[in-house]
Amino acid sequence: NAGVTQTPKFRILKIGQSMTLQCTQDMNHNYMYWYRQDPGMGLKLIYYSVGAGITDKGEVPNGYNVSRSTTEDFPLRLELAAPSQTSVYFCASSWRIWETQYFGPGTRLLVL
Amino acid sequence: KNEVEQSPQNLTAQEGEFITINCSYSVGISALHWLQQHPGGGIVSLFMLSSGKKKHGRLIATINIQEKHSSLHITASHPRDSAVYICAVSMDSNYQLIWGAGTKLIIKP
Repeated sequence: NAGVTQTPKFRILKIGQSMTLQCTQDMNHNYMYWYRQDPGMGLKLIYYSVGAGITDKGEVPNGYNVSRSTTEDFPLRLELAAPSQTSVYFCASSWRIWETQYFGPGTRLLVL
Repeated sequence: KNEVEQSPQNLTAQEGEFITINCSYSVGISALHWLQQHPGGGIVSLFMLSSGKKKHGRLIATINIQEKHSSLHITASHPRDSAVYICAVSMDSNYQLIWGAGTKLIIKP
């Protein structure tokens, strides 16, 4: 099993551009999460999903959108990228909500 | 006041030393998590516990619910243990994880 995979690994965006961060898990987990981690800071929850078709906001959802059309995939969409969105983005999944989470390798995003 | 506080923020030790990292929280919780973030950035869950003590290899995690405190211990530390160790709690009220800022551990050979 690959676990949780994320693409791309690294991306540079210009201010105002849009992009989608991809996240896929092959563990048949219902629960999936998107976090951002700013330098020297802890993880902050952006959005989470409790199953296909069901998503909810986390602590810092502004500027992001998500969708969950399948159990496996949980893409994160950035509209109108801003320098404040420069961060490392982690996707995670779990068997039970808020229990042991399995993390992807992260996507490093730089907005200039 | 942060709801989850870790100490120390940074810790440098010699190979073989016994390591203790602390996590204090100020809210009621249903569970506490310890995770490890490698220098390359990858994050791995180490423990989830709601009471008592858990052990995995050279890692031991304890929690005292009454004192709202948890410790992560590493016995016979090794340079490959160098990483950031993160504490996170799942609150009683809405269950979203609250994350500590992490403790950066460096083990020198």
